[in-house]
Formats: sequence, structure tokens, C-alpha cells
Amino acid sequence: KAGVTQTPRYLIKTRGQQVTLSCSPISGHRSVSWYQQTPGQGLQFLFEYFSETQRNKGNFPGRFSGRQFSNSRSEMNVSTLELGDSALYLCASSLTGIGNTIYFGEGSWLTVV
Amino acid sequence: AQSVTQPDIHITVSEGASLELRCNYSYGATPYLFWYVQSPGQGLQLLLKYFSGDTLVQGIKGFEAEFKRSQSSFNLRKPSVHWSDAAEYFCAVGETSGTYKYIFGTGTRLKVLA
Repeated sequence: KAGVTQTPRYLIKTRGQQVTLSCSPISGHRSVSWYQQTPGQGLQFLFEYFSETQRNKGNFPGRFSGRQFSNSRSEMNVSTLELGDSALYLCASSLTGIGNTIYFGEGSWLTVV
Repeated sequence: AQSVTQPDIHITVSEGASLELRCNYSYGATPYLFWYVQSPGQGLQLLLKYFSGDTLVQGIKGFEAEFKRSQSSFNLRKPSVHWSDAAEYFCAVGETSGTYKYIFGTGTRLKVLA
């Protein structure tokens, strides 16, 4: 069974640009969540989607957005990139969310220069 | 507010020695509890989880953890550490109130001496 797949794995962007990251969950999983990992802040919850609906959002500015498609694949977008957005962005999937184990992808490393 | 505390940022042990990584949480009810491990440049791999039932749970790679409700703790243990266990370990709480998010501790980086 394939795991959670994230693309791209590495990318470099310039301040002010926007970026889109993609996540394909484990087959059959309908909940997808996103986390930002930085050395200073650790793992911070961004948002969670289930059946194309955002059920919860973390404490991030509106520049961070996401969506989920009918096949459960998810994308997150960061607009007007700032240097502080440099981080590892992790996607995780689970069957339905709470009460299920979440499984992580290997992440997308974003560097903003 | 809910929180997870891993008091040890770094731990160094010799190969073959026993290991205990501490995790304390603050939550109004019994949460879902997890330990994940992260190798450099990789995502997080689930080691073990506690939802309910037996408070001593077994995981992969010879790890176990014990849930102690009275101490709000979920410490991770391994009787004999291998050099390949060097990594960062995260304790996480899954909220049971339907907020669909997990709260992670800041991690403990384990170094293993040969």
C-alpha cells in the first residue's frame, strides 16, 4: 500500500512569489492535514480537510490556504512568500480524522530567498 | 489550552543502554496519544499509539510506552538502544473533541554513542 506522497520534495522560491504543494493521501484515507515544521516552532497545525471541506484551521495568516479534491488529494498554497515561510511542510492522512492514526508523508522542503 | 511537553531537548545514551523519553500533556480528558520518530530529512514515522485499554503499549522497533493518567504522562522506553535509533522523537496528542488536529511536543533529539 503506497504511503502519503508529497510533491515537490524540494523547492526554492523568492520572496513575494506564491507556491503550491501537493499531497496524495493513502488510498482510502479521506482526511488530509497539513503541518509546518521549523526548528524554532516545531510542528504547527495548518489545516485539516475531509471530503473537500476544511474542518479546522490553525493559527496562520490568510496567505496560507488549502483545498481538497474529490479524490482526497490535497493542495496547499502560500501566497506572497516571506523568508519566515521557509520550512518543511508535512502532509498527513488518516481514514476519517479524529480517532484514527495519522500517517505522514516525507514533506516538502520550501526555502524562500 | 492543550499542550504537550517534552522536557528533554537532547538525550545521549550509549548503544545497548536503556532509554526513556518523557512526555507530559495537558488536556481535559484522556486524549489519543502517539509517539513518532523522524530521521534527518524525512517525514514522521509512527512508533506507537494509545487510544484506550491496556496502558502499556508496544510499538515497532522494540519501543514501548506507558500511559499514566495520574501523571498525565506517556513516556517512551526501549530496553536496549541501537545506533540506528538516533533520530528525533515526537510525542503527540490527538484531541478527542472533534477539532481534528494533533498537538506535537517540541521533540527530543536522541544521540547514540557507539
